[in-house]
Amino acid sequence: NAGVTQTPKFQVLKTGQSMTLQCAQDMNHEYMSWYRQDPGMGLRLIHYSVGAGITDQGEVPNGYNVSRSTTEDFPLRLLSAAPSQTSVYFCASRRTRVAKNIQYFGAGTRLSVL
Amino acid sequence: SQELEQSPQSLIVQEGKNLTINCTSSKTLYGLYWYKQKYGEGLIFLMMLQKGGEEKSHEKITAKLDEKKQQSSLHITASQPSHAGTYLCGADEGKGAAGNKLTFGGGTRVLVKP
Repeated sequence: NAGVTQTPKFQVLKTGQSMTLQCAQDMNHEYMSWYRQDPGMGLRLIHYSVGAGITDQGEVPNGYNVSRSTTEDFPLRLLSAAPSQTSVYFCASRRTRVAKNIQYFGAGTRLSVL
Repeated sequence: SQELEQSPQSLIVQEGKNLTINCTSSKTLYGLYWYKQKYGEGLIFLMMLQKGGEEKSHEKITAKLDEKKQQSSLHITASQPSHAGTYLCGADEGKGAAGNKLTFGGGTRVLVKP
């Protein structure tokens, strides 16, 4: 039972470089989301998706793009990395249609932008 | 949007002693979730509370949701080194589709001294 899988676990980028953080879930969950976690700031929602082909912005979407072509995958793209994007990124998924469902998290990706 | 405040931000407890963490919401809680995070790892689901006055226990951890559904507490009895980590509360943004998004508190860092 893999659950939510994130790759890579660690990444170092130079300012201006681009990259994609991968997220995949095998629970057939409709809802997927990306958070960033920073010291003293808690978890902040970047983007989320309620199903394939549907995405929306969260609290801190600037500098990030997402797409949802399949139920299983929800990649997060950094088009031009900035030092302010140094953070730990978490992908999560849950069932929708009914609130009060448990959200499951991946192990995280630690990103440093130099 | 909903705001969750956790207290204390951090605490150090002697092994064997009890501890309590509080999570207070600015709005009525439709679903309240407790997670634990060990340093460098993802979030592990602990418990979910839905109804006013509800109380759930698992091993030495008890979580409660008050009658007015605006505050939750997490209580650990006879703490052990394995209880060390950061505890986060999360809440559904609302009912229906709004409930798909979770808002998180800032977390409480727990250190257990042997």
